[in-house]
Amino acid sequence: DAGVIQSPRHEVTEMGQEVTLRCKPISGHNSLFWYRQTMMRGLELLIYFNNNVPIDDSGMPEDRFSAKMPNASFSTLKIQPSEPRDSAVYFCASRTGQGVRNEQYFGPGTRLTVT
Amino acid sequence: GNSVTQMEGPVTLSEEAFLTINCTYTATGYPSLFWYVQYPGEGLQLLLKATKADDKGSNKGFEATYRKETTSFHLEKGSVQVSDSAVYFCAIVDSNYQLIWGAGTKLIIKP
Repeated sequence: DAGVIQSPRHEVTEMGQEVTLRCKPISGHNSLFWYRQTMMRGLELLIYFNNNVPIDDSGMPEDRFSAKMPNASFSTLKIQPSEPRDSAVYFCASRTGQGVRNEQYFGPGTRLTVT
Repeated sequence: GNSVTQMEGPVTLSEEAFLTINCTYTATGYPSLFWYVQYPGEGLQLLLKATKADDKGSNKGFEATYRKETTSFHLEKGSVQVSDSAVYFCAIVDSNYQLIWGAGTKLIIKP
C-alpha cells in the first residue's frame, strides 16, 4: 500500500488566495483526520471524518477553513481566504475501525506558506 | 479533561547514551497509550503502544511500560544513535477514540 497520500507537498501562496489541500487515505480505512502543526501550537486536530461524515470539526479555527470528504478515497481541506497565520504543516491521517488499539497512519504533510 | 504532559525539549545526548523521555497523562479509565515519532520532514509514525496496565510496548530498541499507579508511559532506549534524532510524541486515546497529544519532545543525538 502507498500509505496516506497528500498533495501538494509544498504550497506557497499570497494572502487572500484560496488554498486547497488534498488527501487520499489508505484503502479500507474508514476514519480520516486533518491536523495542523506549528511551532507555537504543536499538533492540533482540525476535523475528523468517520465513513465520510464529519464527526467533530471543533478544531477548525474559523469559517475560512472547510473540509470535505466526497468519497472514501478523497478529502480536501480548503482555506479561503488564506492568511499568513495559516502557515503551517498540515497532516492528513487515516485509521481503520474505531477501536482504541487502532493506530492512525499519517501522510507526509503539506507545508503551507502564506506570504 | 484528558491531557498528556511530556518533558520539554530539546533533549541533547551523545551517541550510545541512555534515553528517557517522560510522559504522564490524565484520563478517566484506562486509555491506550502511544508513542509516535516524527523524523525531519516526515509525518508522524507509530513507534510503540500499550493497551493495558503493565503492558510494555517495544520497537527499534525503544520501550515504554504502562504504569497505571503513576499514570505514566516513559519512553526509554538503552543506547541511542544519531538516526534516532527526531521529535517524539506521547498520546492517549480518549473516550471518543481520538488521540490526545503531548506537545512533543525534540531529541538531538550528537555523534
